[in-house]
Amino acid sequence: ETGVTQTPRHLVMGMTNKKSLKCEQHLGHNAMYWYKQSAKKPLELMFVYSLEERVENNSVPSRFSPECPNSSHLFLHLHTLQPEDSALYLCASSQGNTGAGAEAFFGQGTRLTVV
Amino acid sequence: QQQVKQSPQSLIVQKGGISIINCAYENTAFDYFPWYQQFPGKGPALLIAIRPDVSEKKEGRFTISFNKSAKQFSLHIMDSQPGDSATYFCAASLQTGANNLFFGTGTRLTVIP
Repeated sequence: ETGVTQTPRHLVMGMTNKKSLKCEQHLGHNAMYWYKQSAKKPLELMFVYSLEERVENNSVPSRFSPECPNSSHLFLHLHTLQPEDSALYLCASSQGNTGAGAEAFFGQGTRLTVV
Repeated sequence: QQQVKQSPQSLIVQKGGISIINCAYENTAFDYFPWYQQFPGKGPALLIAIRPDVSEKKEGRFTISFNKSAKQFSLHIMDSQPGDSATYFCAASLQTGANNLFFGTGTRLTVIP
C-alpha cells in the first residue's frame, strides 16, 4: 500500500461543477505538494505546504484552491474549471526540503477530465 | 521557460541492451539531480539521485553520469529488462529555497523481449 493515498482515482466534472481532490499521507512527513501532470509536459508544481503553511503557489489560477487542515491531509478544491485543466493531479509528501535531497513520495494521482 | 530539457521523448530497447536518457539544464545553481520512474497508473518514485560533486553514481543496473561543465546528466540502464518499461523523469533542484523539483518532460522507455 502506498504511503500517499489520493481519492478519487478518476473524476469527470462539468465546467460549472465544484469538486475536491483528497490526499492523505501515512508517512509522518512535514511537507505536502500538489503537482499537475499533462501529456508531453514537465510535472508542474502547483502548491507546497510545509508544516501546514502554504509556502509556494506557482501562479496557479484561483479556480484551484488548496487546503491543508493538518500535516497528513491535503485537499485541492476545484470550481469552474476549463477543459485545458484536464490532467493527472499528483499529490506528494516529503520529510524536509526536496531540494536538500528529501525524497518526494507521490500518490497514484487523480485523473481529472473536464467536460 | 523549461528549466530541464529531456530527451528522447520515447525509447525502444531490446532486452539486455543499454537504455540512455539525457537531460540538460541551464541554472548553474542547481545542486541536486534526481531521477524518477513512473509505471502506468502509478505516481513517480525516486530511482536514483546525484549531487554535482561527483561525476557518476551507480546503483545496481542504474547509473547517473554527470557533466557539470556541460550542464548535462544522463541515466544509463544496463542490461535493460521488460520490467524497466516505464516513464523516466529527470529533475533538478536548489538545495536552498522553496521545495521545488523542476522536472523534465519524461521519456517513455519500452524494453522488448
